[in-house]
Amino acid sequence: GNSVTQMEGPVTLSEEAFLTINCTYTATGYPSLFWYVQYPGEGLQLLLKATKADDKGSNKGFEATYRKETTSFHLEKGSVQVSDSAVYFCALIPTGFQKLVFGTGTRLLVSP
Amino acid sequence: GAGVSQSPSNKVTEKGKDVELRCDPISGHTALYWYRQSLGQGLEFLIYFQGNSAPDKSGLPSDRFSAERTGGSVSTLTIQRTQQEDSAVYLCASSLGGTGSYNEQFFGPGTRLTVL
Repeated sequence: GNSVTQMEGPVTLSEEAFLTINCTYTATGYPSLFWYVQYPGEGLQLLLKATKADDKGSNKGFEATYRKETTSFHLEKGSVQVSDSAVYFCALIPTGFQKLVFGTGTRLLVSP
Repeated sequence: GAGVSQSPSNKVTEKGKDVELRCDPISGHTALYWYRQSLGQGLEFLIYFQGNSAPDKSGLPSDRFSAERTGGSVSTLTIQRTQQEDSAVYLCASSLGGTGSYNEQFFGPGTRLTVL
């Protein structure tokens, strides 16, 4: 079946630290991959996406590269800010479908 | 422009009662999705509409759950004979739709359902 596994949180960092949130997936074919973010009290928002192998999605200083050989889509940011504190969800859309399949989410807490 | 709206924002009901949750998608979006977010199950897909038809309803957890969409716009998710395990945040999303390519799904704020 189709599934997404991401690291458990919370991830606690100091401001300006480097961030990595691991995400691996299981899917047939060539799924599209996404990172969504949920800020406190707000709805889910698309952060970045990649639709084919070796594509790099980027937005707001965050990056993730679609690695088919390792079935991974790890989220990285070079220098986190307090305002990045949120829950981050890795997700995929399986080939031939329109639905998002989500990981369990990783809470990021950034302290000043 | 307006985003996806959902009503009510909160709903408390008693076990065994029926509830209706409403979603107003972004104008012009032909695709509409329902998901739910619960502590035990995370974020789960429920149903997808393209126009007024539902080509994928594979995520509906039981026959107590149904959804419809009229006029290619508003959608209603109905849960009959609610159970405590139905307690969750129900999220609606919409996108430009069409098959063969990805269109970003924009999410509403959700309806928090509590079944006592």
